[in-house]
Amino acid sequence: GNSVTQMEGPVTLSEEAFLTINCTYTATGYPSLFWYVQYPGEGLQLLLKATKADDKGSNKGFEATYRKETTSFHLEKGSVQVSDSAVYFCALRKGTQGGSEKLVFGKGTKLTVNP
Amino acid sequence: NAGVTQTPKFQVLKTGQSMTLQCAQDMNHEYMSWYRQDPGMGLRLIHYSVGAGITDQGEVPNGYNVSRSTTEDFPLRLLSAAPSQTSVYFCATSGTMNTEAFFGQGTRLTVV
Repeated sequence: GNSVTQMEGPVTLSEEAFLTINCTYTATGYPSLFWYVQYPGEGLQLLLKATKADDKGSNKGFEATYRKETTSFHLEKGSVQVSDSAVYFCALRKGTQGGSEKLVFGKGTKLTVNP
Repeated sequence: NAGVTQTPKFQVLKTGQSMTLQCAQDMNHEYMSWYRQDPGMGLRLIHYSVGAGITDQGEVPNGYNVSRSTTEDFPLRLLSAAPSQTSVYFCATSGTMNTEAFFGQGTRLTVV
C-alpha cells in the first residue's frame, strides 16, 4: 500500500539556519505530494504541494521538489525564523476514479527554531 | 468563509459515555475524513466518506461510527468512550482526484 516516511525529530535550529526535512514515499503510479504544517494548538494547513514529477512546490520560503527517481519530496528552507517552529507533515494522495483517494501522512517532524 | 468547522473544541467524557463530534463543511467537497492525532503516531485515519450515503473504515475504526446523510456533514460517534480514545480529532475535506485536504481546528477529547 501507499506509505510516507519522514525523518523523525525533533529538529532544533538557530534562527537563519538552513532546514531540510527528508520525506520519501511508496506508491504506485503518480501520487500528489504535500507538506502540511501544524502550529501549536491549531489544525493542519497546507504548506505546499506538487502533483507531478519534477514539479517544485513553494510557499513562505519553503520548497520541495517531486523526485520520481528517488521517490522523495524533501522540504527545504534557506533561512528559518522563530515563527517557523511547528510540526511538519509530509503526505501523499493517490486518487483513482471511483476509488478511496485516501490521504496518507508521515508521522510528523517537530521543528523548534531558537532566536 | 467557514471552510471546515468542528465542534466542540474541547470535551471531557467519563468512561462509557457516548458523544458525537460534529464536522461541517461549506466547500461542497465530496471526500470527508476523520483522523486522530496522538503523540509520536502522526495522524491515523478513522473513517472516511467519498460522498453522501457512502462511508468506509480507515486504519483505526474500532469504537467509532460515522454516517454521511448530506454532503456538508460528517459526524463521528463514540459509542462507549474509553481512555484509549483520549486524543485530538481532526476532520478533513477534499475535492476529487489528488487535490489537497482542508482541516478543521480539531477537537481535544479526554476520557477519564
